[in-house]
Parts: sequence; C-alpha cells; structure tokens
Amino acid sequence: AQTVTQSQPEMSVQEAETVTLSCTYDTSENNYYLFWYKQPPSRQMILVIRQEAYKQQNATENRFSVNFQKAAKSFSLKISDSQLGDTAMYFCAFMKPLSGSRLTFGEGTQLTVNP
Amino acid sequence: DAGITQSPRYKITETGRQVTLMCHQTWSHSYMFWYRQDLGHGLRLIYYSAAADITDKGEVPDGYVVSRSKTENFPLTLESATRSQTSVYFCASKERGTYNEQFFGPGTRLTVL
Repeated sequence: AQTVTQSQPEMSVQEAETVTLSCTYDTSENNYYLFWYKQPPSRQMILVIRQEAYKQQNATENRFSVNFQKAAKSFSLKISDSQLGDTAMYFCAFMKPLSGSRLTFGEGTQLTVNP
Repeated sequence: DAGITQSPRYKITETGRQVTLMCHQTWSHSYMFWYRQDLGHGLRLIYYSAAADITDKGEVPDGYVVSRSKTENFPLTLESATRSQTSVYFCASKERGTYNEQFFGPGTRLTVL
C-alpha cells in the first residue's frame, strides 16, 4: 500500500516571500501521479498542481512549482510571491494507474501567510 | 446547480441512527468517490465507484454502505452511526483518464452524539 507523509503540520511565511512544503511517499510502483491540493477555510478542495512520475520536468503553475525527486520519493511544493489568499491547508496526494483513480492523501500542512 | 453538490452540509445525529449523505454531480463523470477528513489523517477513501452499479471499497469502508443506481448520484449511508464516524465527508467525481482532475464537493460536517 502506498503511504504519503507530510512532516510539517504547520508553516508560516511572510507575504511576498517563498515557502516550500515537503511531501514524501512510499511506493513500489514505477509509474504514478502526484498532486497538491489546497483547502482554504471555506473547506473546498482545489487542485493546485500535478505531476506524472515518468516526466522528468518539474510541473509549474504560475506561482506554484514542484521539486520532484523520484529516486528520493520526494514531491515538494514551492509557492513564490506568497499571497494572503494562499493561507490554507495543503495536501499532497498519490495515485497509481489502474487503481480506480483512488487518491492517497498525506496528513496536510497548514500554511499561514502573514501580512 | 452545476458541478458537484452535497447535502446536507451539516448534520447532527445520535449513536445508532441511520444517516444518508447525498452527492450529486452534473458532469456525467464516470468515477465518484467518498472521503472522510479527520485531523491528523488527511482525507481517507471510504468507497468509490467507476460507473453506475459498480462500487468498491476504499481504505476505511467499515460501517458505511454506498449505492450508485444513476451516474449522477452516489449516496453514502451510515447504517448505525457511531461517534467515531464524526467527521467531514467529501464527495468527489472525475472523468475517465488517470490524469484527469478529481473535483470535490463542498463537504458535509457530520456530528454523531
């Protein structure tokens, strides 16, 4: 079974600065997919970014980028130019192909952006 | 309403009662999912469905029952609610294709007294 670990329960950053959230996972699969979801106080789950394991290039979505280290089984999220609206719980998630598209989530990291 | 909706948004019930949480999506997505969210555990999969009349267990299925007679609906029933089932429940849906995004409903906060 796959496991996803987010070792930072809480983090804080000043507005306009850069912050990196950590995620590690354990799997014996060679091909899989990784995701970062954001959950603001509204509780709505929002996809931030996704990465296919067989792609070497790190995914980027505007101010959000990932550092995917397949050998180390690490998938960190970097948020540049942090904004107050980035304050949320962030979840890392893993999915393997042919698994019914099931997601395995980490415990989450609560990020607070301070003015 | 377009998208994916859940009802009720909040529910308080008592131990031993049957409770049904509703989930409805308007996209005709093939896949639907039920997750529960608890502090320290993130989201954990309860049940999922690949199509109408096809359901399968997730990580934490005990005490829950699902059905999917229509593509757009995926109700979750707690047959005899227990306090340990106090949680926030999320429904999600996605179209076929591994890389497609899962879209989540707004969640139902369930309290079992």
